[in-house]
Amino acid sequence: TQLLEQSPQFLSIQEGENLTVYCNSSSVFSSLQWYRQEPGEGPVLLVTVVTGGEVKKLKRLTFQFGDARKDSSLHITAAQPGDTGLYLCAGEWGGSNYKLTFGKGTLLTVNP
Amino acid sequence: DVKVTQSSRYLVKRTGEKVFLECVQDMDHENMFWYRQDPGLGLRLIYFSYDVKMKEKGDIPEGYSVSREKKERFSLILESASTNQTSMYLCASSLPGTGTRRTFGSGTRLTVV
Repeated sequence: TQLLEQSPQFLSIQEGENLTVYCNSSSVFSSLQWYRQEPGEGPVLLVTVVTGGEVKKLKRLTFQFGDARKDSSLHITAAQPGDTGLYLCAGEWGGSNYKLTFGKGTLLTVNP
Repeated sequence: DVKVTQSSRYLVKRTGEKVFLECVQDMDHENMFWYRQDPGLGLRLIYFSYDVKMKEKGDIPEGYSVSREKKERFSLILESASTNQTSMYLCASSLPGTGTRRTFGSGTRLTVV
């Protein structure tokens, strides 16, 4: 099983601040997904990145896949309390949809 | 709206009991998965199935078995529940192929006493 390291593990910020979450591995992934999980619910897919260097934007969220496809970042601009949740990155490797490895997550709290 | 439905949100069972966790999806997905989620350990894959009656072990299959008799239903079985199986259990489904999303259920919080 490939390993994905997420950092930071916990993040508590004020509304309006910017933040970046990192997802790193020593392995090359064929694609990388970001999920958000709210308390009492299952994770929900935010984005999938496939190409090295790819950048995707989802409103105030910007996702980047590293050139070597070993790392990714999630940047949130002007965080809102509604952004609170557990952010999970998941790397797909070996060309198989079965082999999706999840990071341990970043628990984000945005205080009003 | 597509859905993955887990039969119970909360479950309390006694040590040694046989426990069944049920999961149903309405998206005609080929792939179905069972994960457990624990603080500090993240999501860990228990078993997955890529077709009816087909199953593969994930990273932590010990103490668990699965059944997939119909495409839409994937059951997780704890043969003899133990306290270290207290956890949040998440079912997911997906289409085949790379880069496809997992659609998750809301989870079952199982407590074994």
